[in-house]
Amino acid sequence: GAGVSQSPSNKVTEKGKDVELRCDPISGHTALYWYRQSLGQGLEFLIYFQGNSAPDKSGLPSDRFSAERTGGSVSTLTIQRTQQEDSAVYLCASSFWNEQFFGPGTRLTVL
Amino acid sequence: AQSVTQLGSHVSVSEGALVLLRCNYSSSVPPYLFWYVQYPNQGLQLLLKYTTGATLVKGINGFEAEFKKSETSFHLTKPSAHMSDAAEYFCAVSVEGGSNYKLTFGKGTLLTVNP
Repeated sequence: GAGVSQSPSNKVTEKGKDVELRCDPISGHTALYWYRQSLGQGLEFLIYFQGNSAPDKSGLPSDRFSAERTGGSVSTLTIQRTQQEDSAVYLCASSFWNEQFFGPGTRLTVL
Repeated sequence: AQSVTQLGSHVSVSEGALVLLRCNYSSSVPPYLFWYVQYPNQGLQLLLKYTTGATLVKGINGFEAEFKKSETSFHLTKPSAHMSDAAEYFCAVSVEGGSNYKLTFGKGTLLTVNP
């Protein structure tokens, strides 16, 4: 596709459930980033991938959060045992150099 | 570590008036600076960026920004506001860390344009 895509666009889940958020980057972009946007914290970096490796996981807020990337392409962000404070918009971005292209985000609501 | 401060969480202008959104950054190494715009329920769209070279940067939709190292600023301007400019604007900084260009964002400025 022409841009970064994310699915689902909206996800409503119950507290304690696991969720998976998907990101399809722009073809050929080797770097992929996840960010979280919430009312209280603004836009925060979560994790950075170069190819399939994640050399920077410093933004993951707890060990309930994990992510992987396969084939140097699709990435999945997994949140286990969701909590209400996990409610936010999760944004994915891909880049070739220092310019990042963002997807539309996944709005996660934890009830 | 880097940080970004955006002065004014909400700016309101009249259509046709000058738009000025303020951004100051902190970085111990030469920064890359960005302005992004976010329309409701959409992702972030790059308006403009400064990496190296000319300090006055022109972007899309008539916006421009000037990198002033002495003032650690990267303010965003547009000579004449249009109704379609109403959105939230984010200033961001990154530095070269190998190939990791993770962004640190400001809190955002919501721009309202009045008819």
